[in-house]
Amino acid sequence: GAVVSQHPSRVICKSGTSVKIECRSLDFQATTMFWYRQFPKKSLMLMATSNEGSKATYEQGVEKDKFLINHASLTLSTLTVTSAHPEDSSFYICSARAWVAGGFSYEQYFGPGTRLTVT
Amino acid sequence: SQQGEEDPQALSIQEGENATMNCSYKTSINNLQWYRQNSGRGLVHLILIRSNEREKHSGRLRVTLDTSKKSSSLLITASRAADTASYFCATDAAGTYKYIFGTGTRLKVLA
Repeated sequence: GAVVSQHPSRVICKSGTSVKIECRSLDFQATTMFWYRQFPKKSLMLMATSNEGSKATYEQGVEKDKFLINHASLTLSTLTVTSAHPEDSSFYICSARAWVAGGFSYEQYFGPGTRLTVT
Repeated sequence: SQQGEEDPQALSIQEGENATMNCSYKTSINNLQWYRQNSGRGLVHLILIRSNEREKHSGRLRVTLDTSKKSSSLLITASRAADTASYFCATDAAGTYKYIFGTGTRLKVLA
């Protein structure tokens, strides 16, 4: 099956700094990627849809200026958590759907996640 | 916003027993997927069922979909301790292409 990677897998940063997380589709082109965050023992919450070559679409309640998304190529989307605070500590997971035969693939392929800890 | 609600929130069973988890959603969907997540780890895809399908099997897993009731169930037969994990359903609403996750069921299989 298709592979999605994330980097880094874990990151610890200090309050006030910014952190960038990369999401790559390794063997397929992903015009659209998705970013989720997950708090401990909770479900995944969709944060935003990342579109190659255009602005990301954010879910209600997600701060655009806080979580900057850039989808510069068909295989890479980045999420930057700006001016991080301890409450931003979470598990961030990206996913991608392949574009096949004029439509999205049914499957959604997930990256392994990035654990962010803000001290 | 969360679309799916799952029940039970937590389930504890003995090894060898069957485990059933249910997922309900609010709007018409294209597809529904079930995932497993071990503590602190990434997601493992289990089964995808399309809106025009009613049942699918994969090994010890059986998934049903009732679009009239907007619900799905995941049955794990002959459970093993290694099945201990959180299980999530995810749906992509008709007219959209993004998957929204349910609240999840934490399954504990006791050896």
